Amino acid sequence: DIQMTQSPSSLSTSVGDRVTITCRASQSISSYLNWYQQKVGKAPKLLIYAASSLQSGVPSRFSGSGSGTDFTLTISSLQPEDFATYYCQQSYSIPRTFGQGTKLEIK
Amino acid sequence: QITLKESGPTLVKPTQTLTLTCTFSGFSLSTNGVGVGWIRQPPGKALEWLTLIYWNDDKRYNPSLKSRLTITKDTSKNQVVLTMTNMDPVDTATYFCAHETAQVPRHFDFWGQGTLVTVSS
Repeated sequence: DIQMTQSPSSLSTSVGDRVTITCRASQSISSYLNWYQQKVGKAPKLLIYAASSLQSGVPSRFSGSGSGTDFTLTISSLQPEDFATYYCQQSYSIPRTFGQGTKLEIK
Repeated sequence: QITLKESGPTLVKPTQTLTLTCTFSGFSLSTNGVGVGWIRQPPGKALEWLTLIYWNDDKRYNPSLKSRLTITKDTSKNQVVLTMTNMDPVDTATYFCAHETAQVPRHFDFWGQGTLVTVSS
């Protein structure tokens, strides 16, 4: 199985901050990396697919980069509605695997 | 617009079999490349992928749970059914179904709202 490791696990941040979340795969997954946002009590929402493609309807302050084993999700200027948990997920192989999540908290 | 909705029991007893149904609209599971998957999330924990079924009836399972899982589809009813045997309290979780794109790299672009299943005697 491909292990996905996110860092940090949690981050205390403020509105307007630039935030970067890292995801590392245990082996190369090319660009087969997706990012999801999950708010409490809700289903995950797709933000970024194929490492850097912005899902339709997602604000442009979200961006993704990376390939191979190292990936980042960046939020350029954090908005109040962005406080949530973020997950990376690889679709390179079966089993599909998710990172452990990064929780953004209000400082 | 694609929508998915999970249905099934909210409470099951240990050792019982769980059956969940995902009813969807806005796409056909006979369309080349399309898949429907199940993902679960124990309270306060991370997402765990369980299984996928594709348009051609190809089925994939998480090896850690493979012996307990069965996924089937009814294309005419737009439904996917998940069966999990020998339920245990550690299986208490919210269970989501999701549409996996035919487009490669694949991704789960639409999700159901999830259904919380509690395993308790």
